[in-house]
Amino acid sequence: DTGVSQDPRHKITKRGQNVTFRCDPISEHNRLYWYRQTLGQGPEFLTYFQNEAQLEKSRLLSDRFSAERPKGSFSTLEIQRTEQGDSAMYLCASSLGSGNSPLHFGNGTRLTVT
Amino acid sequence: GQQVMQIPQYQHVQEGEDFTTYCNSSTTLSNIQWYKQRPGGHPVFLIQLVKSGEVKKQKRLTFQFGEAKKNSSLHITATQTTDVGTYFCAVVNQAGTALIFGKGTTLSVSS
Repeated sequence: DTGVSQDPRHKITKRGQNVTFRCDPISEHNRLYWYRQTLGQGPEFLTYFQNEAQLEKSRLLSDRFSAERPKGSFSTLEIQRTEQGDSAMYLCASSLGSGNSPLHFGNGTRLTVT
Repeated sequence: GQQVMQIPQYQHVQEGEDFTTYCNSSTTLSNIQWYKQRPGGHPVFLIQLVKSGEVKKQKRLTFQFGEAKKNSSLHITATQTTDVGTYFCAVVNQAGTALIFGKGTTLSVSS
């Protein structure tokens, strides 16, 4: 079990630029989640995939955000025209089973928008 | 939407003292999960409680699920510096598709 891996660990970008993050879940897990965490807060749900299908998006996920999970394996999260308010830790998690199943989180990608 | 309130937000204890964090919901929960996040780390699953009144122990940690399944607690006996971190409770959203996390209780321990 190699765990959930995320890349990059840190990303600094200027406002208005596009950024893309990658997540490789635990291989046998069918569900993949993206969360965002800011200082002093718990993880906030953004979106999830069951296999390759994106089944739910939070209202936090504006139209500048897009996520994909081609072939039901790794996932990417892209933020277009970044804003300073997008600065946060972006956490990916995977699980096997239902929405009640325990989540295995990656180390996250810390985004700083200057 | 589904949400849970955690108290306290912060707690500082001397090593060896006990610590308790509480998680409360206005609605009946199907189950509740607890996670620990060390400083600079990511949330790590600790336990899941499903049954009304359930009590589970992991070494010095005791987890309880309320009889009405609307609240839960995590109690640490004789804290150690390794217990430092933020403890989150998490519940499934109304659609049953994803976990919603509380804001967490951050524990600091001085030796």
